[in-house]
Amino acid sequence: DAGVTQSPTHLIKTRGQHVTLRCSPISGHKSVSWYQQVLGQGPQFIFQYYEKEERGRGNFPDRFSARQFPNYSSELNVNALLLGDSALYLCASSSSREGLDEQFFGPGTRLTVL
Amino acid sequence: AQKVTQAQTEISVVEKEDVTLDCVYETRDTTYYLFWYKQPPSGELVFLIRRNSFDEQNEISGRYSWNFQKSTSSFNFTITASQVVDSAVYFCALSEAGATDSWGKLQFGAGTQVVVTP
Repeated sequence: DAGVTQSPTHLIKTRGQHVTLRCSPISGHKSVSWYQQVLGQGPQFIFQYYEKEERGRGNFPDRFSARQFPNYSSELNVNALLLGDSALYLCASSSSREGLDEQFFGPGTRLTVL
Repeated sequence: AQKVTQAQTEISVVEKEDVTLDCVYETRDTTYYLFWYKQPPSGELVFLIRRNSFDEQNEISGRYSWNFQKSTSSFNFTITASQVVDSAVYFCALSEAGATDSWGKLQFGAGTQVVVTP
């Protein structure tokens, strides 16, 4: 069975640009969460979506937004990119609504903002 | 306030030595879950264990073992007879069942880099 997939693998953008990252959860999983991992730190929670609705939001500015589609895949959008947005963006899927079960992580998208 | 503290930044051991990773957490919830994840150089987080707050039994899985002590708010992880393939960053994480405004939120510690040399 396929695990969590993310695209693209790597991305280079310049300050002020917009970026869209994509995630496909494990088949049957309805919960998708997004995390940002800055080099040398632990992942930080950005969003959780369940059944196409936002169920959880971390402490990130409004430049960050996301959505979930009917097939449970998800997009993370970041507007007006800053140098500090350079990070590994991880997507995780889970079978539970509350996300308290094991979360399976994808390989991540490495975003570099120049 | 940091809810998960991993005080050890890096631990270096020689192959076959045991290594223990410390994790201290903070929560007011009575129902919560603790996790350990491994992040090899490839970057993908690999799930190792999930433990709920009502189950204080220690667990062993092969060379891995976990010691959960609610009295000290700790959930430590030991690798016995370490191998070079164990080299990775290990993260401890907390999920609070009462955090209904942030479902799915795993709160990670800063991670401990384990370096195993032959």
